[in-house]
Amino acid sequence: GQQVMQIPQYQHVQEGEDFTTYCNSSTTLSNIQWYKQRPGGHPVFLIQLVKSGEVKKQKRLTFQFGEAKKNSSLHITATQTTDVGTYFCAGRRGSTLGRLYFGRGTQLTVWP
Amino acid sequence: GAVVSQHPSWVICKSGTSVKIECRSLDFQATTMFWYRQFPKQSLMLMATSNEGSKATYEQGVEKDKFLINHASLTLSTLTVTSAHPEDSSFYICSAELAGAPGEQFFGPGTRLTVL
Repeated sequence: GQQVMQIPQYQHVQEGEDFTTYCNSSTTLSNIQWYKQRPGGHPVFLIQLVKSGEVKKQKRLTFQFGEAKKNSSLHITATQTTDVGTYFCAGRRGSTLGRLYFGRGTQLTVWP
Repeated sequence: GAVVSQHPSWVICKSGTSVKIECRSLDFQATTMFWYRQFPKQSLMLMATSNEGSKATYEQGVEKDKFLINHASLTLSTLTVTSAHPEDSSFYICSAELAGAPGEQFFGPGTRLTVL
Protein backbone atom coordinates (compact mmCIF):
# COMPACT_ATOMS: atom_id res chain seq x y z
CA GLY A 1 0.00 0.00 0.00
CA GLN A 2 0.94 3.63 -0.27
CA GLN A 3 3.55 4.56 2.31
CA VAL A 4 3.05 8.32 2.28
CA MET A 5 -0.34 9.92 1.88
CA GLN A 6 -0.59 13.47 0.58
CA ILE A 7 -3.62 15.75 0.40
CA PRO A 8 -5.19 17.48 -1.33
CA GLN A 9 -4.54 16.11 -4.78
CA TYR A 10 -5.49 19.39 -6.42
CA GLN A 11 -5.73 22.96 -5.15
CA HIS A 12 -6.86 26.00 -7.07
CA VAL A 13 -6.31 29.38 -5.46
CA GLN A 14 -6.53 33.03 -6.37
CA GLU A 15 -3.22 34.82 -6.45
CA GLY A 16 -2.53 36.20 -3.00
CA GLU A 17 -4.32 33.41 -1.16
CA ASP A 18 -2.48 30.95 1.04
CA PHE A 19 -1.93 27.28 0.22
CA THR A 20 -1.15 24.23 2.33
CA THR A 21 -0.42 20.63 1.44
CA TYR A 22 -0.19 17.84 3.99
CA CYS A 23 1.67 14.57 4.15
CA ASN A 24 1.09 11.69 6.48
CA SER A 25 3.00 8.45 6.94
CA SER A 26 1.84 5.30 8.66
CA THR A 27 5.37 4.78 9.97
CA THR A 28 7.94 7.04 11.59
CA LEU A 29 10.20 8.73 9.09
CA SER A 30 13.89 9.45 9.53
CA ASN A 31 13.52 12.53 7.37
CA ILE A 32 11.15 14.09 4.92
CA GLN A 33 11.86 16.09 1.81
CA TRP A 34 9.79 18.38 -0.35
CA TYR A 35 10.09 18.73 -4.11
CA LYS A 36 8.44 20.99 -6.66
CA GLN A 37 7.75 19.90 -10.21
CA ARG A 38 6.73 22.54 -12.71
CA PRO A 39 4.47 21.49 -15.59
CA GLY A 40 6.59 19.58 -18.10
CA GLY A 41 9.60 19.65 -15.80
CA HIS A 42 11.31 17.39 -13.33
CA PRO A 43 11.22 17.43 -9.53
CA VAL A 44 13.45 19.98 -7.89
CA PHE A 45 14.53 19.65 -4.29
CA LEU A 46 13.15 22.31 -1.95
CA ILE A 47 14.11 21.26 1.55
CA GLN A 48 14.74 18.42 3.96
CA LEU A 49 13.46 18.16 7.52
CA VAL A 50 15.11 15.82 9.97
CA LYS A 51 14.27 16.79 13.53
CA SER A 52 11.02 16.19 15.37
CA GLY A 53 8.90 19.35 15.36
CA GLU A 54 11.26 21.10 12.98
CA VAL A 55 10.07 24.21 11.18
CA LYS A 56 11.95 25.77 8.29
CA LYS A 57 11.14 28.79 6.19
CA GLN A 58 12.11 29.77 2.69
CA LYS A 59 10.70 33.22 1.96
CA ARG A 60 6.94 32.60 1.62
CA LEU A 61 7.25 28.84 2.14
CA THR A 62 7.01 27.27 5.59
CA PHE A 63 7.79 23.60 6.12
CA GLN A 64 6.92 21.63 9.24
CA PHE A 65 7.79 18.17 10.47
CA GLY A 66 5.50 16.70 13.09
CA GLU A 67 6.54 15.83 16.60
CA ALA A 68 6.04 12.13 15.94
CA LYS A 69 7.90 12.42 12.61
CA LYS A 70 4.94 10.94 10.80
CA ASN A 71 3.49 14.02 9.18
CA SER A 72 4.62 17.15 7.47
CA SER A 73 3.17 20.20 5.82
CA LEU A 74 4.13 22.86 3.32
CA HIS A 75 2.45 26.23 3.60
CA ILE A 76 2.77 28.98 1.02
CA THR A 77 1.75 32.48 2.06
CA ALA A 78 0.31 34.85 -0.52
CA THR A 79 0.67 32.60 -3.54
CA GLN A 80 2.01 33.92 -6.81
CA THR A 81 1.59 32.58 -10.33
CA THR A 82 5.18 31.39 -10.17
CA ASP A 83 4.16 28.95 -7.44
CA VAL A 84 2.22 26.87 -9.97
CA GLY A 85 3.32 23.25 -10.07
CA THR A 86 3.03 19.96 -8.25
CA TYR A 87 4.48 19.71 -4.77
CA PHE A 88 5.64 16.31 -3.60
CA CYS A 89 6.64 15.19 -0.16
CA ALA A 90 9.00 12.24 0.09
CA GLY A 91 9.98 10.43 3.22
CA ARG A 92 12.68 8.05 4.26
CA ARG A 93 12.51 5.31 6.83
CA GLY A 94 15.57 4.19 8.70
CA SER A 95 18.71 5.40 6.98
CA THR A 96 19.12 9.02 5.97
CA LEU A 97 20.06 7.79 2.51
CA GLY A 98 18.32 5.42 0.17
CA ARG A 99 14.91 5.22 -1.34
CA LEU A 100 12.34 7.92 -0.93
CA TYR A 101 8.66 7.17 -0.53
CA PHE A 102 6.86 9.83 -2.53
CA GLY A 103 3.42 11.17 -1.82
CA ARG A 104 1.16 11.44 -4.84
CA GLY A 105 1.65 15.18 -4.95
CA THR A 106 -0.55 18.25 -4.76
CA GLN A 107 -1.09 20.07 -8.01
CA LEU A 108 -1.35 23.80 -7.35
CA THR A 109 -3.02 26.16 -9.78
CA VAL A 110 -2.88 29.89 -9.14
CA TRP A 111 -5.28 32.21 -10.89
CA PRO A 112 -4.04 35.74 -11.53
CA GLY B 1 24.66 22.75 -7.74
CA ALA B 2 24.79 19.10 -8.76
CA VAL B 3 23.51 18.44 -12.26
CA VAL B 4 22.05 15.24 -13.66
CA SER B 5 21.46 14.82 -17.36
CA GLN B 6 19.38 12.33 -19.25
CA HIS B 7 19.55 11.29 -22.85
CA PRO B 8 17.48 11.22 -24.91
CA SER B 9 14.93 13.73 -23.67
CA TRP B 10 12.28 12.08 -25.78
CA VAL B 11 12.10 9.00 -27.98
CA ILE B 12 9.51 7.40 -30.20
CA CYS B 13 9.95 3.76 -31.09
CA LYS B 14 8.08 0.90 -32.64
CA SER B 15 6.57 -1.85 -30.58
CA GLY B 16 9.03 -4.70 -30.05
CA THR B 17 12.17 -2.61 -30.19
CA SER B 18 14.50 -1.78 -27.32
CA VAL B 19 15.30 1.69 -26.05
CA LYS B 20 18.25 2.76 -23.93
CA ILE B 21 18.08 5.79 -21.66
CA GLU B 22 21.22 7.27 -20.14
CA CYS B 23 21.49 9.07 -16.83
CA ARG B 24 24.66 10.97 -16.05
CA SER B 25 25.82 12.92 -13.04
CA LEU B 26 27.78 15.74 -14.65
CA ASP B 27 29.74 17.28 -11.82
CA PHE B 28 29.70 14.71 -9.05
CA GLN B 29 30.04 11.02 -8.46
CA ALA B 30 26.92 9.11 -7.63
CA THR B 31 27.26 5.73 -6.02
CA THR B 32 23.50 5.38 -6.05
CA MET B 33 21.07 6.33 -8.76
CA PHE B 34 17.34 5.80 -8.85
CA TRP B 35 15.00 5.19 -11.77
CA TYR B 36 11.42 6.39 -11.60
CA ARG B 37 8.44 6.20 -13.85
CA GLN B 38 5.79 8.87 -13.89
CA PHE B 39 2.41 8.74 -15.57
CA PRO B 40 0.61 11.98 -16.45
CA LYS B 41 -0.48 13.92 -13.39
CA GLN B 42 0.64 11.13 -11.10
CA SER B 43 3.39 10.64 -8.60
CA LEU B 44 6.82 9.20 -9.10
CA MET B 45 6.95 5.43 -8.99
CA LEU B 46 10.32 4.05 -8.01
CA MET B 47 11.34 1.29 -10.38
CA ALA B 48 14.79 0.39 -9.13
CA THR B 49 17.80 1.49 -7.16
CA SER B 50 21.03 1.33 -9.08
CA ASN B 51 24.35 0.93 -7.29
CA GLU B 52 27.64 1.32 -9.09
CA GLY B 53 29.31 -1.99 -9.76
CA SER B 54 26.48 -4.16 -8.53
CA LYS B 55 23.10 -5.42 -9.60
CA ALA B 56 20.18 -3.07 -9.35
CA THR B 57 17.52 -3.57 -6.72
CA TYR B 58 14.09 -3.65 -8.33
CA GLU B 59 10.84 -2.69 -6.69
CA GLN B 60 8.07 -5.21 -6.42
CA GLY B 61 6.19 -5.60 -9.67
CA VAL B 62 8.97 -4.25 -11.87
CA GLU B 63 10.24 -6.82 -14.37
CA LYS B 64 14.00 -7.14 -14.22
CA ASP B 65 14.28 -8.67 -17.67
CA LYS B 66 12.20 -5.94 -19.24
CA PHE B 67 13.85 -2.98 -17.59
CA LEU B 68 17.57 -3.63 -17.67
CA ILE B 69 19.66 -1.35 -15.52
CA ASN B 70 23.42 -1.00 -15.74
CA HIS B 71 25.45 1.24 -13.45
CA ALA B 72 28.90 0.82 -14.95
CA SER B 73 30.56 3.90 -13.50
CA LEU B 74 30.09 6.48 -10.77
CA THR B 75 28.65 8.94 -13.26
CA LEU B 76 26.53 6.79 -15.57
CA SER B 77 23.53 4.56 -15.20
CA THR B 78 21.48 3.23 -18.09
CA LEU B 79 17.95 1.92 -18.32
CA THR B 80 17.07 -0.26 -21.29
CA VAL B 81 13.42 -0.94 -21.99
CA THR B 82 13.46 -4.21 -23.88
CA SER B 83 10.78 -5.30 -26.34
CA ALA B 84 8.86 -2.13 -25.71
CA HIS B 85 5.08 -2.09 -25.88
CA PRO B 86 2.65 0.82 -25.95
CA GLU B 87 1.92 0.37 -22.24
CA ASP B 88 5.58 1.16 -21.57
CA SER B 89 4.99 4.68 -22.84
CA SER B 90 5.73 6.96 -19.93
CA PHE B 91 8.02 9.61 -18.49
CA TYR B 92 11.17 8.03 -17.08
CA ILE B 93 13.22 10.06 -14.61
CA CYS B 94 16.48 9.22 -12.93
CA SER B 95 17.93 10.75 -9.82
CA ALA B 96 21.25 10.59 -8.06
CA GLU B 97 22.40 11.08 -4.52
CA LEU B 98 25.37 13.24 -3.68
CA ALA B 99 27.37 11.71 -0.88
CA GLY B 100 28.19 15.05 0.69
CA ALA B 101 24.64 16.36 0.66
CA PRO B 102 22.39 14.99 3.41
CA GLY B 103 20.12 12.76 1.37
CA GLU B 104 19.09 15.21 -1.31
CA GLN B 105 18.29 13.60 -4.63
CA PHE B 106 19.07 15.44 -7.84
CA PHE B 107 16.72 14.61 -10.66
CA GLY B 108 17.45 14.42 -14.33
CA PRO B 109 15.16 16.23 -16.79
CA GLY B 110 13.39 13.00 -17.69
CA THR B 111 12.88 11.02 -20.88
CA ARG B 112 9.50 10.87 -22.58
CA LEU B 113 9.09 7.44 -24.19
CA THR B 114 6.33 6.82 -26.70
CA VAL B 115 5.92 3.33 -28.08
CA LEU B 116 3.82 3.06 -31.22
